[in-house]
Formats: sequence, C-alpha cells, structure tokens
Amino acid sequence: SQKIEQNSEALNIQEGKTATLTCNYTNYSPAYLQWYRQDPGRGPVFLLLIRENEKEKRKERLKVTFDTTLKQSLFHITASQPADSATYLCALDPGSARQLTFGSGTQLTVLP
Amino acid sequence: GAVVSQHPSRVICKSGTSVKIECRSLDFQATTMFWYRQFPKQSLMLMATSNEGSKATYEQGVEKDKFLINHASLTLSTLTVTSAHPEDSSFYICSAREHSGADTQYFGPGTRLTVL
Repeated sequence: SQKIEQNSEALNIQEGKTATLTCNYTNYSPAYLQWYRQDPGRGPVFLLLIRENEKEKRKERLKVTFDTTLKQSLFHITASQPADSATYLCALDPGSARQLTFGSGTQLTVLP
Repeated sequence: GAVVSQHPSRVICKSGTSVKIECRSLDFQATTMFWYRQFPKQSLMLMATSNEGSKATYEQGVEKDKFLINHASLTLSTLTVTSAHPEDSSFYICSAREHSGADTQYFGPGTRLTVL
C-alpha cells in the first residue's frame, strides 16, 4: 500500500538558518506533491504545489524540490524566522481532483 | 486566494446528541469537498469525499450512518455526527477544490468537537 513519511517529527533550528524538511513516499506515483502549513488548532494552509515534471519550485523564501526517481520532496525555508514555527505537512496528489494523502507532518520550531 | 469557512469553530455537546458542522466555499464553486478528522499530533485522515448532488464516498472504517454528509450546493457541505460519543471528540476539517478543476485544495479552519 502507498506510504508517505515525513522524516523528523520535530525540527529545531536557529533564526536566520535554512530549514529543510523531507517527505518520502513509496508505492505511489503522484501527479503532484503539495506542501501545507498548519498552526495549532487551525486548518492547513496551502503553500506550494509541484508537478511530477517539475524539479524545483520557489515562492519567496520557500523552495520545494521533487525527485520522482528517489520518490522524495524537500521543502526549504531560507532565512527562517520565529513566525515560521508551525507544523508542515506534505501531501501526495493523484490529480484529477481526487483526494490528497497527507504525511504525519514535521513540527518546525525556529529559535530566536 | 479562495476561502473556505467552517461553522462552528468549537462545539461541546453531551453524549448521545447530534452535531452539525457546516463547510462553505465563500468565493468559488466547489464540486468536490472533503472531510477530514485529525487527532492530536497526528495527520489528517480522510473520512469522506462529498460531491455536489450525489452521495458521499466514505473511506474504509468510517460509518456512513454515524457521519452523515450532505453536499446540497456548490458552496455548502455539512457533516452531522449522530449520537456522538466521547471517542468522536476530534478536530474536523473540511476542504474544497474549485469547480474549474484547479489543483489546489483549500482547507477550512477546522471545528473542535468535544463530546462529554
């Protein structure tokens, strides 16, 4: 069965450094991979979507890579700030408006 | 960006009562809405997929008679937890995809249900 794993349940980094979060999957060939941010007691907020034929995507301080051979996506936050502290979820997207499959999330804490 | 709202944001009820949660897409039409539940420190687990005008498709292990879903219009889906019990206490989140078939899924802010 398909499996999605986000390495590191929790990640602490110093303000100003780059945070790198990992998402690995098996037994799946997603059309897209999405990243979300979730704050405590709130619903997920969409951050970035990357397609299977894209290697990298950027949005401001965020960068996502997608390696379909390794079945892995990396999510980077550069020049991290305490306000970036949250749980980050990756989700596999089969496309065609079908449902997402979420990873368990990585809780990021950026220390001032 | 597109906005999805949920009401109520928090609800506390007695065991045995039913609770209705509304999910609305405010500025777009959503052919498909999804309902998730999330336990503390766990990821979102899909409960059901709701298509406007048709019966919801439930994930394995989710009781359709307990979690009633109605998707009456392109902007509104409701989840009713019938005869709620303490083990139903959870964070319920809906999401919606735009009618145009865009890839992005927009999530509501969630509803915290506590059953006493």
